[in-house]
Amino acid sequence: NAGVTQTPKFQVLKTGQSMTLQCAQDMNHNSMYWYRQDPGMGLRLIYYSASEGTTDKGEVPNGYNVSRLNKREFSLRLESAAPSQTSVYFCASSAVPGQGTNTEAFFGQGTRLTVV
Amino acid sequence: GESVGLHLPTLSVQEGDNSIINCAYSNSASDYFIWYKQESGKGPQFIIDIRSNMDKRQGQRVTVLLNKTVKHLSLQIAATQPGDSAVYFCAENRSGTYKYIFGTGTRLKVLA
Repeated sequence: NAGVTQTPKFQVLKTGQSMTLQCAQDMNHNSMYWYRQDPGMGLRLIYYSASEGTTDKGEVPNGYNVSRLNKREFSLRLESAAPSQTSVYFCASSAVPGQGTNTEAFFGQGTRLTVV
Repeated sequence: GESVGLHLPTLSVQEGDNSIINCAYSNSASDYFIWYKQESGKGPQFIIDIRSNMDKRQGQRVTVLLNKTVKHLSLQIAATQPGDSAVYFCAENRSGTYKYIFGTGTRLKVLA
């Protein structure tokens, strides 16, 4: 059981380049999330998808777009990368929050992105 | 990795001692709380959770205490081991919402 799988693990981009971070989960979770993690700060929500077919902005959505391709997959796209987007990106999934006891978010291993 | 852990408060404990990591949460409407462990270069890993209708929950070597009056959460690790060295952070959630609010974390260092 792989859980949440993210690709790639590392990426270096030049300013202005675009890329897509891929995420897939095999836990049949309805909800999926993209977070970024920066030094000295907690995880910050970029976008989330409550269920297949829906996406919503989180705290820091500017400069990003997302696609919920199907129930398993949720991708994050940087259209024109900027140095401020240098960060570690985590994808997560969960059951619908508030329903039942096991609604913790499960995280992937992260993508370390550097924009130069 | 290390870049994630810069400037975090650090708790150093002797191997075999008990550890207590604290967290103050922000939203009085939050009713679900989670503790995560994050090792260097890895994603956060679920440790234990608790709902607001409880004030204590125990797992294997870990106990979470919830004080809703002062919006405080703690994680107790019994007989701390070298493998417990990591960054620990709490998360809060309000039922029915999709937003988990994460704390910045505490680095636990286990001294041999």
